[in-house]
Amino acid sequence: GAVVSQHPSWVICKSGTSVKIECRSLDFQATTMFWYRQFPKQSLMLMATSNEGSKATYEQGVEKDKFLINHASLTLSTLTVTSAHPEDSSFYICSARDGQSSSYNSPLHFGNGTRLTVT
Amino acid sequence: SQKIEQNSEALNIQEGKTATLTCNYTNYSPAYLQWYRQDPGRGPVFLLLIRENEKEKRKERLKVTFDTTLKQSLFHITASQPADSATYLCALDPAGYALNFGKGTSLLVTP
Repeated sequence: GAVVSQHPSWVICKSGTSVKIECRSLDFQATTMFWYRQFPKQSLMLMATSNEGSKATYEQGVEKDKFLINHASLTLSTLTVTSAHPEDSSFYICSARDGQSSSYNSPLHFGNGTRLTVT
Repeated sequence: SQKIEQNSEALNIQEGKTATLTCNYTNYSPAYLQWYRQDPGRGPVFLLLIRENEKEKRKERLKVTFDTTLKQSLFHITASQPADSATYLCALDPAGYALNFGKGTSLLVTP
């Protein structure tokens, strides 16, 4: 089945530094990837839609200059949290649809998430 | 505003019983609804998709119903096992390409 790999699985960084999270589709091509954030006991909140070769689309309230998204190839999207602050500490998860079955109602394949802790 | 509501309290059941989880939604006109399983510290895993013209869908011990009049989906796990313990998420498409998720219901199956 389709596999999405996310790295790192956890990261601790100091306030003010930047952190990059990678999301790869291992056995399929993904023209679109989605980045979610999840706080404890809360639902997954869509942050942005990453489009290969073009700019990401951000959800309302998500700062595009703080959460930089790059989707340089059909198998890799990266999320960079710039100038991280403790309130950015959260669980970040990427997902994608298999490009072969990219109809709007096909399921999402998720990475295993990145636990970010900003101290 | 669009809302997806799931049982906020954890559901504890005994092994072998049927677990029933509820998903209610407002201000959506979904063509389909999806259910996912999420284990602690992991990403969600797709379980089932049901379309608006399907009343019921089954996959092994799982059954999902979809009532677009009531704006509700029920998710059943029959003959539940401790390994079924997880958080189950209901998801809808907000007329875009991504999915919106409910908070999920935590299920604990005890031996």
